[in-house]
Amino acid sequence: EPEVTQTPSHQVTQMGQEVILRCVPISNHLYFYWYRQILGQKVEFLVSFYNNEISEKSEIFDDQFSVERPDGSNFTLKIRSTKLEDSAMYFCASSVSQGYNEQFFGPGTRLTVL
Amino acid sequence: AQSVTQLDSQVPVFEEAPVELRCNYSSSVSVYLFWYVQYPNQGLQLLLKYLSGSTLVKGINGFEAEFNKSQTSFHLRKPSVHISDTAEYFCAVSPSGYSTLTFGKGTMLLVSP
Repeated sequence: EPEVTQTPSHQVTQMGQEVILRCVPISNHLYFYWYRQILGQKVEFLVSFYNNEISEKSEIFDDQFSVERPDGSNFTLKIRSTKLEDSAMYFCASSVSQGYNEQFFGPGTRLTVL
Repeated sequence: AQSVTQLDSQVPVFEEAPVELRCNYSSSVSVYLFWYVQYPNQGLQLLLKYLSGSTLVKGINGFEAEFNKSQTSFHLRKPSVHISDTAEYFCAVSPSGYSTLTFGKGTMLLVSP
């Protein structure tokens, strides 16, 4: 059964460092998403991506965040200069199309900023 | 904007007992409604969804949910739970026709023998 994969499962970094979180969406999916969940809080939408550009982003997704689909399979989230408050679980998701189609989620990357 | 409230952070229940996990939402537009489940160390998995039509929706693993527009609720139910149902359950909404999901804080279902 196809699934969304994410690497690494856990990333530890120093404040101010750049991190790249990687995701491989399901191969025939066209829409890609990043969500995050700070410990004890809600899962929050960050950004959606379609046709090689951002289709929607939340207030959380400021200039320190960027997304990219560098090749035909990977979808990455870059945080340029990490802050303590960026520590969270980051989930990647993909869907065939938007709207009523199910979003399939990856297992998440736990980011710890020290 | 949409918001989702899951009032119960934890619901302990005995095996084979019925369970209801509560979800209320607010939105100024029509919405799609979802329940996701997260097992330990795994991603979010869709349990069921309401798009339109019948207000009673059946999902995987014997779960069902009922959409109540007047009460803006979408409670999740199962008549008899198993130990394997122990997981975190998230209610979510999206504006009809759009993808962005707004999640509740989640409810941890703890099933004991």
